[in-house]
Amino acid sequence: QKEVEQDPGPLSVPEGAIVSLNCTYSNSAFQYFMWYRQYSRKGPELLMYTYSSGNKEDGRFTAQVDKSSKYISLFIRDSQPSDSATYLCAMSGKSGGGADGLTFGKGTHLIIQP
Amino acid sequence: GAVVSQHPSWVICKSGTSVKIECRSLDFQATTMFWYRQFPKQSLMLMATSNEGSKATYEQGVEKDKFLINHASLTLSTLTVTSAHPEDSSFYICSARAGGGGYEQYFGPGTRLTVT
Repeated sequence: QKEVEQDPGPLSVPEGAIVSLNCTYSNSAFQYFMWYRQYSRKGPELLMYTYSSGNKEDGRFTAQVDKSSKYISLFIRDSQPSDSATYLCAMSGKSGGGADGLTFGKGTHLIIQP
Repeated sequence: GAVVSQHPSWVICKSGTSVKIECRSLDFQATTMFWYRQFPKQSLMLMATSNEGSKATYEQGVEKDKFLINHASLTLSTLTVTSAHPEDSSFYICSARAGGGGYEQYFGPGTRLTVT
């Protein structure tokens, strides 16, 4: 069993829809959870960072963490064609990926249709 | 924002040769840098963690004698793939973390290595 499972997609939705992206994980030591966006042939860009369980909102993006279920989500409201990219979940057992490197999911390829 | 560059962006080399990839933090000092590898349709996999002025820490299964990492300054880390083989062909991405307890890792644009 992989440490982090993420459906690679592709996930195609119409512009304006609410997008839900998810990851499950098996390592209960993970405490810090991140979502990155990666465009083709580019490095990942940090979108959201959450510590332990709970919700965090930033503009059109909401991150949720349920440690009891080992399940994290990223919601994108009012999706735009420019949101089309690969979204990677990442997690760490120590200081937000500082002392530790990150464990990534495979990434979900998201397509927003105009 | 914090910018990390990598050079080269892509490289083709012959089997048996060595290739050096540079990772630079352009506008901040990086106390810690990480090297990841990404195969097609796979996750980014952490290869090693390097702190300025000390030896790198390699993840299990990564050969330290094959992937030489040097973090000689607070703005530069290098990864040298020695005696490269076709199975080393991959996308290599570095990330850098500033000091001061910050959590964010800033990623470079990646280097695509093809070994023929």
